[in-house]
Amino acid sequence: RKEVEQDPGPFNVPEGATVAFNCTYSNSASQSFFWYRQDCRKEPKLLMSVYSSGNEDGRFTAQLNRASQYISLLIRDSKLSDSATYLCVVNTDTGNQFYFGTGTSLTVIP
Amino acid sequence: SAVISQKPSRDICQRGTSLTIQCQVDSQVTMMFWYRQQPGQSLTLIATANQGSEATYESGFVIDKFPISRPNLTFSTLTVSNMSPEDSSIYLCSVEVDRVYEQYFGPGTRLTVT
Repeated sequence: RKEVEQDPGPFNVPEGATVAFNCTYSNSASQSFFWYRQDCRKEPKLLMSVYSSGNEDGRFTAQLNRASQYISLLIRDSKLSDSATYLCVVNTDTGNQFYFGTGTSLTVIP
Repeated sequence: SAVISQKPSRDICQRGTSLTIQCQVDSQVTMMFWYRQQPGQSLTLIATANQGSEATYESGFVIDKFPISRPNLTFSTLTVSNMSPEDSSIYLCSVEVDRVYEQYFGPGTRLTVT
């Protein structure tokens, strides 16, 4: 079983739509959780950390469900510029081991 | 955050040769990492570059193939040795800032082995 699993998509949504991605992780001892955004032919960039209480940054909301071992990312009012691959990243907090999901592809359509 | 640069940004190499990739950070960082991202795939951690000691390699990666140097807290190199076409990939360095486990990535080195 993979450490981190994501639905690869692609998700094709119209501008203004709300879209949500989930990511499941297998290690119950995981401590830190992140969403990264990767544009085509670019490096991943940190979008947001995911805190136990959930967190919001503008149109983006991230949540953590430890009981079910998944994290989610909600994007409201999608913009064309949101088109990218979204990577889920989990840290087990032992030896700085980071596990990356394979990414979910999002295309926002005019 | 941190500003990270990598050199070269891309290269085309012949099989059997070696390439050394440099990673420079604009501030001192404790943790530096090297990743590989093959086409259409996610990132795979190659090793953690430790300052003043040997790198810590992940399963499937060995020092003879991917020697790493970390002479100080702002610089590291990764060498891809005796290259084959299977080594064609993007190689990224990253740093962890402020011990909060957030990682920041360099722009990557796109390697093609012919």
